Amino acid sequence: EDQVTQSPEALRLQEGESSSLNCSYTVSGLRGLFWYRQDPGKGPEFLFTLYSAGEEKEKERLKATLTKKESFLHITAPKPEDSATYLCAVQAEMNTGFQKLVFGTGTRLLVSP
Amino acid sequence: KAGVTQTPRYLIKTRGQQVTLSCSPISGHRSVSWYQQTPGQGLQFLFEYFSETQRNKGNFPGRFSGRQFSNSRSEMNVSTLELGDSALYLCASSLGDFSGNTIYFGEGSWLTVV
Repeated sequence: EDQVTQSPEALRLQEGESSSLNCSYTVSGLRGLFWYRQDPGKGPEFLFTLYSAGEEKEKERLKATLTKKESFLHITAPKPEDSATYLCAVQAEMNTGFQKLVFGTGTRLLVSP
Repeated sequence: KAGVTQTPRYLIKTRGQQVTLSCSPISGHRSVSWYQQTPGQGLQFLFEYFSETQRNKGNFPGRFSGRQFSNSRSEMNVSTLELGDSALYLCASSLGDFSGNTIYFGEGSWLTVV
């Protein structure tokens, strides 16, 4: 069964204090690994899709990396506006259907000024 | 371009009633999927539609159903509501084929069952 585990559950950082969020996964053939940001009361906001081990993508202060077993979301010099829940999801290779994402439970990030 | 639009944003229903939620995908997107988000279970896949056909279904009871129209707009229906159905229901859209794999979510419909 496809499974995603995110750690830590919650993370509190000071503004400017860099850190990494972890996403470990087991999936029967990875089609893609997704990172989303979710603010309270809102839908997930797309950040990145990674497809193969060794791939890296960056967006502002965020950088996502992928290995065969896990993905990391590195946050460099975070600001208070980066506070949110970060969700990781995997999409398995399937005969039919492309949108079945299996999500982790997320990491709640709080960045204090 | 306009994002994924879900209506209504908030609704309150009584146990035993039924509810219909609506989703308009991003223009050009043919795949629409639905997820349920609760504090205890997180985001759980309900089903996916592509070109009016259900392609995949999650592990939810038959009370949960959906459909997609020829313009790609989708609806999901929950019949005989239970208290445990209280959740944020999210719709997501994508091109749905191998040419593009970015999946975008709407803001969701908050359902409270009393």
